Amino acid sequence: DGGITQSPKYLFRKEGQNVTLSCEQNLNHDAMYWYRQDPGQGLRLIYYSQIVNDFQKGDIAEGYSVSREKKESFPLTVTSAQKNPTAFYLCASIDWLSGANVLTFGAGSRLTVL
Amino acid sequence: AQTVTQSQPEMSVQEAETVTLSCTYDTSENNYYLFWYKQPPSRQMILVIRQEAYKQQNATENRFSVNFQKAAKSFSLKISDSQLGDTAMYFCAFMKLRSGETSGSRLTFGEGTQLTVNP
Repeated sequence: DGGITQSPKYLFRKEGQNVTLSCEQNLNHDAMYWYRQDPGQGLRLIYYSQIVNDFQKGDIAEGYSVSREKKESFPLTVTSAQKNPTAFYLCASIDWLSGANVLTFGAGSRLTVL
Repeated sequence: AQTVTQSQPEMSVQEAETVTLSCTYDTSENNYYLFWYKQPPSRQMILVIRQEAYKQQNATENRFSVNFQKAAKSFSLKISDSQLGDTAMYFCAFMKLRSGETSGSRLTFGEGTQLTVNP
């Protein structure tokens, strides 16, 4: 079945460590997105990528980095510069060609900083 | 920049009754999409319904329907015959139509409304 796979589902990190969240899709979607979810704040956009080897900052990019070397992969690195990284992270993708313009989401990754 | 506002942090409804969730948005765009997503306790985001701004007819999906008022920039969700499985966080979202190779398009979400359906 086609979909978006995020891993790990749960991740614990010590302060000062970088951590990378994986996002893989087999939907052949061009665009991919990373959102952060905190209680009472909805979803906020971290980074997005419309095509391979290109990505743009979202609203809260500071302390995060991404790469898009392959169409199906869009990993997110949470660096030690991110002051409050404990959150739920959602990866999503969209198929512009179909015209449906609907975002498909992965199951999310919960990051906790100890 | 676009903003989306959901003024009801929490709502509750009795099973089989009808409930309406509110959403307003602010934009200078004329062509855009509006969405309602639900996030049950599993935290998987699920599309509920979608509305294109250029369509005057309100979208419906089984028990879910919207009241889209473009001039008022309002996009409410009505859930009829509420079921226990409708208990979830509901997010309203806005997306302008894609306008070029470099600008891209992105979804802007509201803060969410936690809906509880009581037996």
